[in-house]
Amino acid sequence: AQSVTQLGSHVSVSEGALVLLRCNYSSSVPPYLFWYVQYPNQGLQLLLKYTSAATLVKGINGFEAEFKKSETSFHLTKPSAHMSDAAEYFCAVSNAGGTSYGKLTFGQGTILTVHP
Amino acid sequence: KAGVTQTPRYLIKTRGQQVTLSCSPISGHRSVSWYQQTPGQGLQFLFEYFSETQRNKGNFPGRFSGRQFSNSRSEMNVSTLELGDSALYLCASSGTSGGPTDTQYFGPGTRLTVL
Repeated sequence: AQSVTQLGSHVSVSEGALVLLRCNYSSSVPPYLFWYVQYPNQGLQLLLKYTSAATLVKGINGFEAEFKKSETSFHLTKPSAHMSDAAEYFCAVSNAGGTSYGKLTFGQGTILTVHP
Repeated sequence: KAGVTQTPRYLIKTRGQQVTLSCSPISGHRSVSWYQQTPGQGLQFLFEYFSETQRNKGNFPGRFSGRQFSNSRSEMNVSTLELGDSALYLCASSGTSGGPTDTQYFGPGTRLTVL
C-alpha cells in the first residue's frame, strides 16, 4: 500500500519569501513522486516529478523538490514566492506494478496563501 | 495539442437519478484515469482505462462505472445518485503506455451537485 501525508493544510508566506511545502510518503516499493498545483475552478497541473533519476528535481515556475529516501520525504520549495503562486498544492505517489496502473495516490493538499 | 476536455462542466441532478460524464484525452494518449475530489475525502482514484480495458479500480461502489471507446474517449456513469456523490470529477490522460512514471494531464473537471 502507498500513502502520502502533507504536513500543514494551510501555509502562508509573504511575497518574496521562501516557500516550503512538506510531503512524506509511505510505499512498500520504490516510489514515483509528483507535485501538482490546482487553481480555483481548474484541474491539476504538474509542477514536477521524481522517477528515480536525479534526486533533486526542478520543475516549472521556479519550483524544485528533493527526494530523500532516508526521510521518506519529497518537500517542495521555491526561493521567492509570487502572488501568482497562491493555489492548492498536492503531492502524489505511484509505483510500478499491475495494481498501480493509472493510479495516483494524493495527499490532502496544502493551500498556499501569499501576502503582499 | 489540445488538452483534456470534459463535458459537461457543471451538472445538477437529484437523488436517485443517474449521470454520465465524458472525457476526451489528449490526442495520442491511450490511458484515461478518473478521480473524485471532495472537501472531506480529497482526491480519490476511481478507475483507469487503457485501450478500452479497465486495468485498475479504486474502492468505490458498483454504482460507479466507466468505459472507454476505440478513440480513447472515456465516459463514467454514476447510477442511483446519492447526496454524497456531489463532487468535482476529474479525468486525466497519460501517454502511450499509461505507466506509473507517465505524467497524468488533467482536465478542468465536471462539478456534479446532487440535490
